[in-house]
Amino acid sequence: LAKTTQPISMDSYEGQEVNITCSHNNIATNDYITWYQQFPSQGPRFIIQGYKTKVTNEVASLFIPADRKSSTLSLPRVSLSDTAVYYCLVGYNTDKLIFGTGTRLQVFP
Amino acid sequence: NAGVTQTPKFQVLKTGQSMTLQCAQDMNHEYMSWYRQDPGMGLRLIHYSVGAGITDQGEVPNGYNVSRSTTEDFPLRLLSAAPSQTSVYFCASSYSRRSGPGKYNEQFFGPGTRLTVL
Repeated sequence: LAKTTQPISMDSYEGQEVNITCSHNNIATNDYITWYQQFPSQGPRFIIQGYKTKVTNEVASLFIPADRKSSTLSLPRVSLSDTAVYYCLVGYNTDKLIFGTGTRLQVFP
Repeated sequence: NAGVTQTPKFQVLKTGQSMTLQCAQDMNHEYMSWYRQDPGMGLRLIHYSVGAGITDQGEVPNGYNVSRSTTEDFPLRLLSAAPSQTSVYFCASSYSRRSGPGKYNEQFFGPGTRLTVL
């Protein structure tokens, strides 16, 4: 299983871009990188997924370098409603999908 | 589609009692899983299932049983509740790995069951 490491918490202000990096040194060849968002008292919600290079959707961008040992979730122009916990998951070869501790993002006005 | 539904939303048990947390999905997902989340902590995988009739243990399976008799339902049974099992329980589902990573890795989570064991 690929172990992931993320910062425990991050602070930002409204309108700023936020980048959250996840380290996954032992990622396997077939593993994909998936990010989830969790608001208080709710279940996690899928945000974005990628394998290499860059993926963008209406919510975020995901940057994955060539060695794939890390990935960066980029949230453009955050608002107060982006305050949440963000989880990075790595897997595809295994059915045992393990969440890490996540990054608690606090956005201030 | 209702997505992933969980019942009950809240439950209080006494130590030693047993109960079943219900989880159902109407998306024809083969993969289903149970996580628990203690206050201020991350999610920990309890059990998972890759299809009807197939279950396996996650990170923290002790004290819990599961079965998967249908594609739609994946109940979680607490055999003899303990205060250490006080937590929020989330059920999730997704397509199987045969559907490809784009569908497999997108898990849909239920709203959770908040369980307190006294």
